[in-house]
Amino acid sequence: GEDVEQSLFLSVREGDSSVINCTYTDSSSTYLYWYKQEPGAGLQLLTYIFSNMDMKQDQRLTVLLNKKDKHLSLRIADTQTGDSAIYFCAERVPGGFKTIFGAGTRLFVKA
Amino acid sequence: DGGITQSPKYLFRKEGQNVTLSCEQNLNHDAMYWYRQDPGQGLRLIYYSQIVNDFQKGDIAEGYSVSREKKESFPLTVTSAQKNPTAFYLCASRTGTGYNEQFFGPGTRLTVL
Repeated sequence: GEDVEQSLFLSVREGDSSVINCTYTDSSSTYLYWYKQEPGAGLQLLTYIFSNMDMKQDQRLTVLLNKKDKHLSLRIADTQTGDSAIYFCAERVPGGFKTIFGAGTRLFVKA
Repeated sequence: DGGITQSPKYLFRKEGQNVTLSCEQNLNHDAMYWYRQDPGQGLRLIYYSQIVNDFQKGDIAEGYSVSREKKESFPLTVTSAQKNPTAFYLCASRTGTGYNEQFFGPGTRLTVL
């Protein structure tokens, strides 16, 4: 079945780059997403990438997709304390209405 | 402003009682979802609805029920049959076109005493 895996914790210093990694199992996924969740709140879409793309850049965010290895990463440049949150990787199940979410990576940013 | 609202923000329930969580959206989205979030486990799908008067079980539907009588509303009832109901519950709705972003509500934290 479909599965999305990501590491649970990442700690970086303010100003450094953060890289959050994710692996997924369904090679036919059409869209892959990164969501951000701040404490006690719902999820907010940060960015997404279509499966025929290798890279997408949006200001401080860079998404890399390696379809051969089914690996997705999110790079946050110049990480700020306000970036501290849980980041979820997700894949859209083709042909259906479901989105599969990973367990989330908690990013800690040290001042 | 368009968005999704969930109420209440915090809910306390005695063991053995049913409780209903509210979810309302004014985004004109056809599809709506309920997820449960537990620490370290990410989001697990409880129920989803693609259109009014239709809904499907997700991965962990046992002990939960839903209704979809109006496009804007998708309430979730946590019944006494749910063995471990204490969790953070998130409602979402989804656009029908393009990259199909899911929009999430602020969540309801349910605690069973």
